[in-house]
Amino acid sequence: GENVEQHPSTLSVQEGDSAVIKCTYSDSASNYFPWYKQELGKRPQLIIDIRSNVGEKKDQRIAVTLNKTAKHFSLHITETQPEDSAVYFCAAKVGDSGGGADGLTFGKGTHLIIQP
Amino acid sequence: NAGVTQTPKFQVLKTGQSMTLQCAQDMNHEYMSWYRQDPGMGLRLIHYSVGAGITDQGEVPNGYNVSRSTTEDFPLRLLSAAPSQTSVYFCASTHSYEQYFGPGTRLTVT
Repeated sequence: GENVEQHPSTLSVQEGDSAVIKCTYSDSASNYFPWYKQELGKRPQLIIDIRSNVGEKKDQRIAVTLNKTAKHFSLHITETQPEDSAVYFCAAKVGDSGGGADGLTFGKGTHLIIQP
Repeated sequence: NAGVTQTPKFQVLKTGQSMTLQCAQDMNHEYMSWYRQDPGMGLRLIHYSVGAGITDQGEVPNGYNVSRSTTEDFPLRLLSAAPSQTSVYFCASTHSYEQYFGPGTRLTVT
């Protein structure tokens, strides 16, 4: 089955700096790569996702890049703010036309700390 | 439109007790899943369903049963709770790749 590795487990950056979180996956058939943000005691919330037919996607301060050849993808957050502090999870799946298939395989998470 | 709902929010069980975690969605999504989240482990897939009457096992299915008699409901049953099942449980429904998570159930087994 799919295996997703996520690094680093903890990342501390100064407010205003950029943060980068990296993930690798094992199943070359995976074609959907979402990123979730989870605040303490809350449910995971989708912040951005990318499908395997594109190499990069951007939404304001957040961007995701995908390298299918190397089987890795990364989350980039620019101009970090205190409210960006949370745990971030990457995930991968082999999606079918219905989008559901067999669920997501998650990385173990990155605790992002924004230092004021 | 309530999205994905889960009950209860919190539950304490004794070893060997049984219970059902409820999950419902009102978005008419065919795909639903159950995950457990443990510290430092991310979320792991327990069971999933691609439609009413169809279920399958995920990464960590042992000790859990599911059924899907309607599109809306996807309950998770613990037949004989064990301390290793202490965790936070999330239900999710999926439409066009995107997963929508419920608020979670925090379960403690003593």
